[in-house]
Amino acid sequence: NAGVTQTPKFQVLKTGQSMTLQCAQDMNHEYMSWYRQDPGMGLRLIHYSVGAGITDQGEVPNGYNVSRSTTEDFPLRLLSAAPSQTSVYFCASSPGPNEKLFFGSGTQLSVL
Amino acid sequence: DQQVKQNSPSLSVQEGRISILNCDYTNSMFDYFLWYKKYPAEGPTFLISISSIKDKNEDGRFTVFLNKSAKHLSLHIVPSQPGDSAVYFCAARIGNTGTASKLTFGTGTRLQVTL
Repeated sequence: NAGVTQTPKFQVLKTGQSMTLQCAQDMNHEYMSWYRQDPGMGLRLIHYSVGAGITDQGEVPNGYNVSRSTTEDFPLRLLSAAPSQTSVYFCASSPGPNEKLFFGSGTQLSVL
Repeated sequence: DQQVKQNSPSLSVQEGRISILNCDYTNSMFDYFLWYKKYPAEGPTFLISISSIKDKNEDGRFTVFLNKSAKHLSLHIVPSQPGDSAVYFCAARIGNTGTASKLTFGTGTRLQVTL
């Protein structure tokens, strides 16, 4: 049972570099989302998707892009990394609009 | 503006005793509340939830209480076990938005269960 898989687990970037955080789920869930966790801030919603081809912004979307071309994958793109994007990123999925979220194990990102 | 608040960053409880974790919210539109548990280097996992039409929900050793008038909920763990040592997040959502993804999380409480 893979569930929600995030890669990489750790990443160090220089300011201005771009990268994509990968997220894949094998549970055929329609709903997927990205959160970031910062000390003293809890988890905050970046972007979410209610199905393939449909995405929307969450609470802190600036500096991030997403797309959802398949049900399984929901990558998060950082176009020009900034130190303020140093955080732990969690991808989550759920089977329906009012179901609990299943989280991946996270990607720890440092931007120098 | 923190709409979901967990004012205790940490809590230490002896094994076998009751653990009580508290959560306050400010948005009266929230009508569904969840607790997630997180171990180091892992993602959060769902623990228990409660709808605003209830004031209590129980699942084994875990009970969540909701006081809507006070905008307060609490998670009780009885009896506490060393394996319960983790960070606990309270989360809330507005149920009729049609998506489970839009959760608002608190800042978390680190529970340490000692022998």
